[in-house]
Amino acid sequence: DTGVSQDPRHKITKRGQNVTFRCDPISEHNRLYWYRQTLGQGPEFLTYFQNEAQLEKSRLLSDRFSAERPKGSFSTLEIQRTEQGDSAMYLCASSHPPGQSSYNEQFFGPGTRLTVL
Amino acid sequence: SQQGEEDPQALSIQEGENATMNCSYKTSINNLQWYRQNSGRGLVHLILIRSNEREKHSGRLRVTLDTSKKSSSLLITASRAADTASYFCATVFNRGGNNRKLIWGLGTSLAVNP
Repeated sequence: DTGVSQDPRHKITKRGQNVTFRCDPISEHNRLYWYRQTLGQGPEFLTYFQNEAQLEKSRLLSDRFSAERPKGSFSTLEIQRTEQGDSAMYLCASSHPPGQSSYNEQFFGPGTRLTVL
Repeated sequence: SQQGEEDPQALSIQEGENATMNCSYKTSINNLQWYRQNSGRGLVHLILIRSNEREKHSGRLRVTLDTSKKSSSLLITASRAADTASYFCATVFNRGGNNRKLIWGLGTSLAVNP
């Protein structure tokens, strides 16, 4: 399967702990997005990479959140000192570079469901 | 923050019937996309309509866009039980640059009964 993969699929942690999620995009995609989705809501944009550069970060992202894409391939999202309000599904998506016909379409991974106790 | 709203929030129909969902948004857009989400396959892109287009078809899907009213509709014809899912519209702002981040609505939950 050459789709977007995310790991882990589920994470249960205690308040105050740090967690890290990984996203492996489709290999030829240079853009990578992180979104967060809570129950009954649509996804909310968190941050966006083009290759290894983080080009935009939502105001939703407090300084407890950090994302990296060190070699322009996989990305990690770390949440420090987790709070119960961080409980959500964290979604990763990737897309083609500009110029390709489908570059507006985002391909999503299955998500990582985080539960903070 | 969410860009817009879907209407209705929930829809229940019989197999074979048509389903229509509406989406409203707030700002000038580059394009509008519809996605489907279910537990089996996650979020899947269905169709994209650009701001200079008014109607688009893909299989059993028909999307319309009215930029003067800042609204879009998704019609699924001859629905099947497998169409049961949540449907989201998502917009890309028309502000230039390469960021194509999606701003999402709240979704419509569609149940197609056999």
